[in-house]
Amino acid sequence: QVQLQESGPGLVKPSETLSLTCTVSGGSISSYYWTWIRQPPGKGLEWIGYIFYSGSTNYNPSLKSRVTISLDMSKNQFSLKLSSVTAADTAVYYCARDILTGQGDYGMDVWGQGTTVTVSS
Amino acid sequence: QSVLTQPPSASGTPGQRVTISCSGSSSNIGSNTVNWYQQLPGTAPKLLIYKNNQRPSGVPDRFSGSKSGTSASLAISGLQSEDEADYYCAAWDDSLNAHVVFGGGTKLAVL
Repeated sequence: QVQLQESGPGLVKPSETLSLTCTVSGGSISSYYWTWIRQPPGKGLEWIGYIFYSGSTNYNPSLKSRVTISLDMSKNQFSLKLSSVTAADTAVYYCARDILTGQGDYGMDVWGQGTTVTVSS
Repeated sequence: QSVLTQPPSASGTPGQRVTISCSGSSSNIGSNTVNWYQQLPGTAPKLLIYKNNQRPSGVPDRFSGSKSGTSASLAISGLQSEDEADYYCAAWDDSLNAHVVFGGGTKLAVL
């Protein structure tokens, strides 16, 4: 079955760019919406955005100016870049697969285990 | 402050039925379907209910969802100790550019 695995630096300095990659195994990245979600320590979930396999993207309005999500189909990976980070960006970052069709939203059915990113000097 | 409003906590004893509410607005729950996620301690969230009341394969029928107007509910019957977890509702929001919004989460304790 499809599995997702996040990877990237666990520590990022303030004002720098956070970069994470999600590797998709057991299935193709073609089709589906590939999504990033984060969870600050002790807090709830926040949707960051998605990329469709065609390359189209959609971002959370609150993060839109700082977020870029991209796709590398040759490596079956998609990536997140979040610029100008502050301590408020410290969180567990999850990648997930979302099933959106003409019949509606079938939910984020596959999740990575999550990776902790701390913003600190 | 989350866009969708959930009670921060809920509790029940084994065998009981508990419900968790999720309140939104016309731009999210009122015009889109609701999904529910279960997050066991120290793990990634898991899809529990999609499209208001559909269960993914493998989710016990003790879990059920419903929606009415701008509110939704998750019901858990025959409560078990392994149901102790955080539960999140989510929906698309059509304000600004469409995006997903989550509830703040409800921590369920099985007493």
